[in-house]
Amino acid sequence: GQNIDQPTEMTATEGAIVQINCTYQTSGFNGLFWYQQHAGEAPTFLSYNVLDGLEEKGRFSSFLSRSKGYSYLLLKELQMKDSASYLCAVRDRDYKLSFGAGTTVTVRA
Amino acid sequence: ETGVTQTPRHLVMGMTNKKSLKCEQHLGHNAMYWYKQSAKKPLELMFVYNFKEQTENNSVPSRFSPECPNSSHLFLHLHTLQPEDSALYLCASSPDGSSGANVLTFGAGSRLTVL
Repeated sequence: GQNIDQPTEMTATEGAIVQINCTYQTSGFNGLFWYQQHAGEAPTFLSYNVLDGLEEKGRFSSFLSRSKGYSYLLLKELQMKDSASYLCAVRDRDYKLSFGAGTTVTVRA
Repeated sequence: ETGVTQTPRHLVMGMTNKKSLKCEQHLGHNAMYWYKQSAKKPLELMFVYNFKEQTENNSVPSRFSPECPNSSHLFLHLHTLQPEDSALYLCASSPDGSSGANVLTFGAGSRLTVL
C-alpha cells in the first residue's frame, strides 16, 4: 500500500511562517495535492504539484522533490483563520489518491 | 445550489437499523467518491464511480452498499453496522476518474454514530 507521513500537530504564532512536511512512498507518481480542512467542514483544495519545484499561490506555497519523495506546504503571514488540518495526498500510477493523516495547525495570537 | 451537498449532516443509528447517506453534486463532474474519515487517521477511499459505473471497491464490507443512479447523485446504504463504523463519511466529485491533475471537490460530510 501507500505510505504518506506528515506531522500530527504544529503550533505557530500569528504573523509567523509554518512549514508542513510530507514524505511519501507510492507505487508510481501522478501528482501531489494539499487540502485544507477546517473542523466540521469539507476539505478544500490548496495546491497541486507534479513537477519538482515550488508553486506559489499568495500566502501559501508548495514544494515537491520527486526523487526524495518529499513535499512541504509553506504558510506565510499566518492568520487565525489558518488554524485547520492540512492533508497531503498523492496520486499513484493507477491514479488512485491516498491521503496522509493530516497535520493540525494551531495559530496563536 | 453549487458544490457537493451531503445529507444528513449527522446521523445516529442502532446496529440493526437501515439508513442511507445522500450526496449530490452540481458541478457537472463525472466521477464520484465515498471516503471514510476517522479521527487521527488518513482518509480511506471506499468507492469510486466514473460515469455511473463503479470502478473501485476498496475491500469495503458488504454492510456498506453504494448506489449511483446518475453522475450527479451518489448514495451509501447502511445496514447492520458496527460501532467501529462510526466516522465522518465524505463524498467527493471530480471531472473524471483517471487523470493526474484531477482535483476532488468534497462535501462537508455526514457524521455517523453507531450505537
